[in-house]
Amino acid sequence: DVKVTQSSRYLVKRTGEKVFLECVQDMDHENMFWYRQDPGLGLRLIYFSYDVKMKEKGDIPEGYSVSREKKERFSLILESASTNQTSMYLCASSLGPEDEQYFGPGTRLTVT
Amino acid sequence: ELKVEQNPLFLSMQEGKNYTIYCNYSTTSDRLYWYRQDPGKSLESLFVLLSNGAVKQEGRLMASLDTKARLSTLHITAAVHDLSATYFCAVDILQAAGNKLTFGGGTRVLVKP
Repeated sequence: DVKVTQSSRYLVKRTGEKVFLECVQDMDHENMFWYRQDPGLGLRLIYFSYDVKMKEKGDIPEGYSVSREKKERFSLILESASTNQTSMYLCASSLGPEDEQYFGPGTRLTVT
Repeated sequence: ELKVEQNPLFLSMQEGKNYTIYCNYSTTSDRLYWYRQDPGKSLESLFVLLSNGAVKQEGRLMASLDTKARLSTLHITAAVHDLSATYFCAVDILQAAGNKLTFGGGTRVLVKP
């Protein structure tokens, strides 16, 4: 079974802090994704990566950056957290560009 | 820009009755997914629909796709409490850099005894 894990289930940070969200997959998947989930808006793609050190902007990249130094790990970075980044963050991975995405359990981030 | 709209956003169901969730999307897509999410849990893939007229069934859930109408439906037959969850549709557009999913807003389903 594919396993996608995220470093924290719940996180509380203060405005202006730098925040790191980590995602690890154990199935040698090429593609990895970061989404945020907000009520009524579904999931929106922030960034994705199709290879180590490669990244592409999604639909809402503003205020976020990502890092993929190793194939199995994809990090989402909030350089200076703001209250409007309070949300559920979901990581996903897929074997290749035409394959199904598998999701991690999510990190609920609260910025106060 | 691709837009995906689900309705209704909330559905209160009675056990034993049938219901339908609708998913409309605005541009041609390559695939359509249905996911289920239980409270506090991640997304679980239910169905992948690949072509016009595709129909897939699993237990009390049946999904169909009409690419000409840009519409997918998720039909629930004889609802039971275990089906209480939030259901998402997502449309997949393949790009050179990888597949990109665009999600609907979700339908929160509550099945009452």
